[in-house]
Amino acid sequence: EPEVTQTPSHQVTQMGQEVILRCVPISNHLYFYWYRQILGQKVEFLVSFYNNEISEKSEIFDDQFSVERPDGSNFTLKIRSTKLEDSAMYFCASSDAGGTWEQYFGPGTRLTVT
Amino acid sequence: QQQVKQSPQSLIVQKGGISIINCAYENTAFDYFPWYQQFPGKGPALLIAIRPDVSEKKEGRFTISFNKSAKQFSLHIMDSQPGDSATYFCAASRANFGNEKLTFGTGTRLTIIP
Repeated sequence: EPEVTQTPSHQVTQMGQEVILRCVPISNHLYFYWYRQILGQKVEFLVSFYNNEISEKSEIFDDQFSVERPDGSNFTLKIRSTKLEDSAMYFCASSDAGGTWEQYFGPGTRLTVT
Repeated sequence: QQQVKQSPQSLIVQKGGISIINCAYENTAFDYFPWYQQFPGKGPALLIAIRPDVSEKKEGRFTISFNKSAKQFSLHIMDSQPGDSATYFCAASRANFGNEKLTFGTGTRLTIIP
């Protein structure tokens, strides 16, 4: 069964450093998303991406965040200058264009900012 | 108006019993309501979803009940098993053929005891 994959599973970085989180969405999917989940809290939407551009972003997704689809398979989230409060699980999700509305999530990357 | 309220926060059910988790929403533009199951350290996994054109959807031991007038929906897990112990999130979005963010509830930690 096709699945969304994410790397790395855990990233530890120092405050102020740049991190890139990587995702490989399900191959025939066209819509891509990033969500985050602070420990013990609900999953929050960050950004959606379609046709090589951002469709919607939340207020969390400020200028320090960016997304990119550098090739036909990868989808990345970059945080330019990490802050302590960026520590969270980051989930990538994808959905197809077939009108099913179903979003499939990857296993997540745990980002720890020290 | 974008919130999805979920209750209870935690739930303990005996093996074989019925687990019931409730959600309520405000935004009448929402018309797609999925439930996700999350195990510790894993990403949310789509469990079952409903559109408001039906009042109930059943898949195996899992049933969603939907009350459009009350703007409420619930997940029922029949014959609950220890393997069902997980955190359950309700969510809502517009059904716009993809590219719609999910708004998640706060989660319910379900524990099934023998």
